[in-house]
Amino acid sequence: DAMVIQNPRYQVTQFGKPVTLSCSQTLNHNVMYWYQQKSSQAPKLLFHYYDKDFNNEADTPDNFQSRRPNTSFCFLDIRSPGLGDAAMYLCATSRQGQGSEQYFGPGTRLTVT
Amino acid sequence: GESVGLHLPTLSVQEGDNSIINCAYSNSASDYFIWYKQESGKGPQFIIDIRSNMDKRQGQRVTVLLNKTVKHLSLQIAATQPGDSAVYFCAEQREYSGGGADGLTFGKGTHLIIQP
Repeated sequence: DAMVIQNPRYQVTQFGKPVTLSCSQTLNHNVMYWYQQKSSQAPKLLFHYYDKDFNNEADTPDNFQSRRPNTSFCFLDIRSPGLGDAAMYLCATSRQGQGSEQYFGPGTRLTVT
Repeated sequence: GESVGLHLPTLSVQEGDNSIINCAYSNSASDYFIWYKQESGKGPQFIIDIRSNMDKRQGQRVTVLLNKTVKHLSLQIAATQPGDSAVYFCAEQREYSGGGADGLTFGKGTHLIIQP
């Protein structure tokens, strides 16, 4: 029944060591989003893909990259994690961009040591 | 910059009572508003949405009200249950002609506590 799947649920990485988080969806939605949510804060949009078109938020650090090799999968790459990047990373999908419910995955909690 | 914000960080209500969670937004260009519920350790879960051309929408035990004049959004939960305990976020989205849209901008969140 899982519709938006995120792996792993918990990830520990070392300061400066590249890490990749993955998201997959069974909904065949056109749009996939990555959000960062720090403790006791609201989710903050990092970027999204509309099909193959990548849309980066203006304030997303260059340290964060994304790949979408096909409709079902989307990856978040953090090239050199800092302590401030420790957070919950949420993947979401929607059928279309406008007025369309976003379905969230359970998130990956990233710890940076 | 423009943002979506909430008035109260924590709201405590008795089980069975009605609750109202408020949200103020400042982006007058927003077209679509959504309420999400987030339980500890889980991703946000869609509750209800409303478009900018509406002022009220009802779901099962929930009602969303939109007042564009004062840029205010509220979520009413009727007959609260223990399972309603969670953090509630409002979110807004701006849309563009041709089908595109921004991602969601979330408000700060309100922690709803249901007391037995």
